[in-house]
Amino acid sequence: GESVGLHLPTLSVQEGDNSIINCAYSNSASDYFIWYKQESGKGPQFIIDIRSNMDKRQGQRVTVLLNKTVKHLSLQIAATQPGDSAVYFCAENLGGATNKLIFGTGTLLAVQP
Amino acid sequence: EAGVTQFPSHSVIEKGQTVTLRCDPISGHDNLYWYRRVMGKEIKFLLHFVKESKQDESGMPNNRFLAERTGGTYSTLKVQPAELEDSGVYFCASSQVGLGYGYTFGSGTRLTVV
Repeated sequence: GESVGLHLPTLSVQEGDNSIINCAYSNSASDYFIWYKQESGKGPQFIIDIRSNMDKRQGQRVTVLLNKTVKHLSLQIAATQPGDSAVYFCAENLGGATNKLIFGTGTLLAVQP
Repeated sequence: EAGVTQFPSHSVIEKGQTVTLRCDPISGHDNLYWYRRVMGKEIKFLLHFVKESKQDESGMPNNRFLAERTGGTYSTLKVQPAELEDSGVYFCASSQVGLGYGYTFGSGTRLTVV
C-alpha cells in the first residue's frame, strides 16, 4: 500500500544547532512532496515543498532534500530556535483529480534552550 | 484573508451520540478536504469536495460518517453514532487550485468519544 513514514518519532536538539528530520515514502510515482509544521492547538502549516524533478530546495532556514533513488525525504532546519518546537509531517501528493495528501506519522522536534 | 475556520475546537461526547463538525473554507476556494489524525497516528485523508460535489470519499471509514457541502461553501462532517475509535483531531483544508502547496488547514476539531 501507499505510505509515508518517519524514521524518528522524537528529535531533541539544542538551540542553535541544525536539525534534520527524515521521511521515507513508498510511492515512486509521487511527484510532489510537502513538509508541514504543526504546533499545539493549530493545524498543519506549510513549510516547504519540492517536486520530483528537483533534489534540493531551500527556504528561509529550511532546506528539503529529495532522494528518489531510495525514496527518502529530509527537512533540514538551520540554527534551530525554540519556536521551531513542533511536530513535523512530511506529505506525499498523489496528484490526480483529488490531489490528496498521504502523511507520515510525524516527528516531534524538541528544542532545548 | 481569513483562514479556514473549524467549529467547535473541542467536543466531548458519549458513545452512541451524534456530533457535527463544521468547516468554513477560505472564501472562493472550490476545493475542500477533510482529514483526521487518530490516536497520534498519521493524518489521513477522508474526502474531497469540489464546490458542492464529492470528488473523492475513499477515505471515509464507514457509513457512520456523512459529509456535506451545501451550496459549495461551508462543509459539515457528521458522525452518527459516534464510537470510541472516532476520537481524534479532524482537520479541514481548502485550496483553490487543488495542489498540495495551496492547501490551508484549519486548526482542527478535537473529538473525544467517551
